Amino acid sequence: AQKITQTQPGMFVQEKEAVTLDCTYDTSDQSYGLFWYKQPSSGEMIFLIYQGSYDEQNATEGRYSLNFQKARKSANLVISASQLGDSAMYFCAMREDYKAAGNKLTFGGGTRVLVKP
Amino acid sequence: DAGVTQSPTHLIKTRGQQVTLRCSPISGHKSVSWYQQVLGQGPQFIFQYYEKEERGRGNFPDRFSARQFPNYSSELNVNALLLGDSALYLCASSLVGRGADADTQYFGPGTRLTVL
Repeated sequence: AQKITQTQPGMFVQEKEAVTLDCTYDTSDQSYGLFWYKQPSSGEMIFLIYQGSYDEQNATEGRYSLNFQKARKSANLVISASQLGDSAMYFCAMREDYKAAGNKLTFGGGTRVLVKP
Repeated sequence: DAGVTQSPTHLIKTRGQQVTLRCSPISGHKSVSWYQQVLGQGPQFIFQYYEKEERGRGNFPDRFSARQFPNYSSELNVNALLLGDSALYLCASSLVGRGADADTQYFGPGTRLTVL
């Protein structure tokens, strides 16, 4: 089974509207971390937001929030008030228990977001 | 503060050749990881180095090797290049440890390798 699944290959969103990007994960570890990265066409991976498995509150960073549902093993990214500059690929990633997996990130296949004016 | 830097930006090689990619981490970061991103896919983990020791290896052949220097910079070497090695190679640095700040990996701009 894939460890990180992003089921939306591509999405259009109207400028100033909110968009939700889906991410489900699979792990048997109790301690893990979930990350979202943005990759513009330039190629650089830009860190957006982090959620630890023991964090009880959903993470927020500016216009980004992470809807963490541990029992359902989902970690959806919500981008509020979309801007044209939000057009990019978005990747969900997981780091499993550090003792076993080290710092290895496992990425999903990504979701391409295109913001329309 | 400077972010993660990588060199070169672009590289064109032919099959069978060898290539060396370089990465300098964010100041204070002691862990460097390498990822391969084939067009249209998410990055795949190749190596993690921390304190000059290999701490993790992904499912890549022995043609791939890496090392970390005393200043925490790193090199990724790929021997006997194949067409399938064409990809964006990303380097990421982190503090290493527990907690969000220590775990977060920050990526460089990548080196785009084309094998002809």
